[in-house]
Amino acid sequence: DAGVTQSPTHLIKTRGQQVTLRCSPKSGHDTVSWYQQALGQGPQFIFQYYEEEERQRGNFPDRFSGHQFPNYSSELNVNALLLGDSALYLCASSPWTGRDIQYFGAGTRLSVL
Amino acid sequence: GQQVMQIPQYQHVQEGEDFTTYCNSSTTLSNIQWYKQRPGGHPVFLIQLVKSGEVKKQKRLTFQFGEAKKNSSLHITATQTTDVGTYFCAGGRQAGTALIFGKGTTLSVSS
Repeated sequence: DAGVTQSPTHLIKTRGQQVTLRCSPKSGHDTVSWYQQALGQGPQFIFQYYEEEERQRGNFPDRFSGHQFPNYSSELNVNALLLGDSALYLCASSPWTGRDIQYFGAGTRLSVL
Repeated sequence: GQQVMQIPQYQHVQEGEDFTTYCNSSTTLSNIQWYKQRPGGHPVFLIQLVKSGEVKKQKRLTFQFGEAKKNSSLHITATQTTDVGTYFCAGGRQAGTALIFGKGTTLSVSS
């Protein structure tokens, strides 16, 4: 049984570019949340998707957008990248009825130069 | 907005010593969770506490949720080198709402 999988593992971009990160949830999970983890910090909630709709959103600008597909997988898009967007981006999945508990993927390490 | 604070930020212990990390929220929580992140790894769920005053144990780990549901602690008895990592608490105001994570306590253990 595969856990949460994320791709790519690492990514290097330059300021102003756009990036798309991908996530496949754990089998049986229908809810996907995205977090940003800066170095030395705890994960910070970006948004959550269920039934292909954004259900909750944290304090992140509109440059951060997402999508959920019918198979529950999800994408995180970040436009007009800033140096401060460099971080580990974590995807977490859960069943909607037990969405308090987060099962994290290994993350995508994004470096913006 | 809601804040979750953890102390200490770092802790170094000798193998066999005990370790405790504390978590305090600026608001009452519906539940609190603890995660462990190994160096270079991702957060892994350890436990969820829901009831006021709740105490749960997992082998050498003891978790407590305060009576006011605003604070929590994680105590490790007789640390081992496998306990190395960063321990995060995370809470939500209501069930199902977005989790707010603390900054974590990083534990190092020397043998």
